[in-house]
Amino acid sequence: GENVEQHPSTLSVQEGDSAVIKCTYSDSASNYFPWYKQELGKRPQLIIDIRSNVGEKKDQRIAVTLNKTAKHFSLHITETQPEDSAVYFCAASIYAGKSTFGDGTTLTVKP
Amino acid sequence: DGGITQSPKYLFRKEGQNVTLSCEQNLNHDAMYWYRQDPGQGLRLIYYSQIVNDFQKGDIAEGYSVSREKKESFPLTVTSAQKNPTAFYLCASSIRGRADEQYFGPGTRLTVT
Repeated sequence: GENVEQHPSTLSVQEGDSAVIKCTYSDSASNYFPWYKQELGKRPQLIIDIRSNVGEKKDQRIAVTLNKTAKHFSLHITETQPEDSAVYFCAASIYAGKSTFGDGTTLTVKP
Repeated sequence: DGGITQSPKYLFRKEGQNVTLSCEQNLNHDAMYWYRQDPGQGLRLIYYSQIVNDFQKGDIAEGYSVSREKKESFPLTVTSAQKNPTAFYLCASSIRGRADEQYFGPGTRLTVT
């Protein structure tokens, strides 16, 4: 089955700096790669996603890049703010119902 | 916080008792999922259902059971056979077919003593 590895497990940055979180996946059939943000005690919410026919996608301060050949994708957050502090999860999906999640990255943005 | 709801938010049970967690959605989604989340770990899939009256085991189905009698509802029963049931349980839903965004409920924190 699919295996998703996420790094780093914790990340601390200064406000205004950039943060990068990386994920690798094992199944070349995976074609959908979402990123979820989960604040403490709350539900995960989608922040950005990318499909396998696209190499990069950007939404304001957040971007995701995908390298299908190497089977890895990354989340980039620029100009970080304290409210970006949360746990971020990547996932890889082949079809609805079969998503494999990474173990999460705890991002702390210091004011 | 409409769309997908879970109840209760906190649940306490004695060891050896079965307990059922509720999940309801009004998003008209065909697919629904149950995940378990433990500290420092990602979301692990327990069961999923892509259509009414059909469901499949996920990666950690042992000790759990589900039913899908209505499109809107996907209850999860944690049985006494589950060795370590204390965890945060998340329900989610999505459109059927291709992989797409999953909408999560607020979660139920189950504590078994």
